[in-house]
Parts: sequence; C-alpha cells; structure tokens
Amino acid sequence: EAGVAQSPRYKIIEKRQSVAFWCNPISGHATLYWYQQILGQGPKLLIQFQNNGVVDDSQLPKDRFSAERLKGVDSTLKIQPAKLEDSAVYLCASSFPMAYEQYFGPGTRLTVT
Amino acid sequence: AQRVTQPEKLLSVFKGAPVELKCNYSYSGSPELFWYVQYSRQRLQLLLRHISRESIKGFTADLNKGETSFHLKKPFAQEEDSAMYYCALTTYYNTDKLIFGTGTRLQVFP
Repeated sequence: EAGVAQSPRYKIIEKRQSVAFWCNPISGHATLYWYQQILGQGPKLLIQFQNNGVVDDSQLPKDRFSAERLKGVDSTLKIQPAKLEDSAVYLCASSFPMAYEQYFGPGTRLTVT
Repeated sequence: AQRVTQPEKLLSVFKGAPVELKCNYSYSGSPELFWYVQYSRQRLQLLLRHISRESIKGFTADLNKGETSFHLKKPFAQEEDSAMYYCALTTYYNTDKLIFGTGTRLQVFP
C-alpha cells in the first residue's frame, strides 16, 4: 500500500515570497491533516479536512496560510507571504474518519531566509 | 486547554537497561493517549495507544489518571529503539485531533 505522498521535500525561499506544498493521502482516507513542526517542538495541527470540508482550522494563521482539498483527495497548503518564523517541517497525514491511527507523509522542510 | 508535557528532551541508556519515557497531560475530560515514534530517516508512525493495552516492540504504557501520566516503558532497551518519541492525546470533542508533546530523543548505546 502506498503511503502519504508529499512534495516538494525541501524548499528554501526568501521572506515575503509565497510557497505551496502538495499532499496525496492514502487511497480511501477521507480525513486529511496538515501539521507544522518547528524545530524542537512536536507537530501542531494547522488544518483538518474531512473529504473536501474543513473540520478544524483554529490554529491556521489565516492572514497568510490557506489550504484546500478539491475533490476530497489531494490537498495543497499555501503560505503567502512567508515569514522567517514559518521555517518548519510541514507534515501531511491521513486517516479513515474517527479512526485512531494517522498515517504521516515524509514532510516538507521549509527554510525561509 | 489541553496540553502534553514530555520533560526530557534526551534520554540516553545502554543496551539492556530499562527505559522510561515520561509523559504528563492536562485535560479535564477523559483523554485518549498515544505514543508515536520517528526512527531516523523514517516517517512518524503510531507505536501504541492506551486503549489497546498492547505491548508493541516490548514497549508498554499505562494511563494513570490520578497522576495524569502515560509513561512509556521497556524493560530492556535495544539499539534499534533509538528514535524520537512523541506522546499525544485526543479529546472527546475531536477524537481525530492529535495534540503532541515536544518529544524525547532516546539514544541506546551498545
């Protein structure tokens, strides 16, 4: 079974530029999550989708971050404009609804200079 | 607010020694607790959850509601146990939303 796919794996941008990350969940997983993991911290949930609807985006900085999950499969997370403090690993995960186990992708390491 | 605390950033032991990774939580309701693990150059993955009461790779964890703790234990550490370990909880109101601790790096020396 293929796992959660993410691209790119690494990205370096200058502050005030924009960036987008892509995630393809495990086939059949209706729930998709984006996490931000800053160095030395645990992952923090940014947004949770069920199919193409948002379940929780309470910790998403909506002035600069946006995410979408068209057609309830792939998802993109965008940052515009980026700040230095956005440097982090962005993790995508997926699961069946109400299932206890989340499956994580390899992450995208973003460096903002 | 819900919170997970892992007081140790790094835990170093020798092979064969007992291991205990500490996790404390704050949540007024009944949480569900998990341990996730990330081995070097691998993805974050579920190790165990408290409800299943299983032993996975020799690890066990018992939920102590009185002490609000969910410590991870293994009687005899192996070198392959070296990894980053994260404690996490979900709440009654959103059983999908994982709240992670800051993680503990376990190093097992030969």
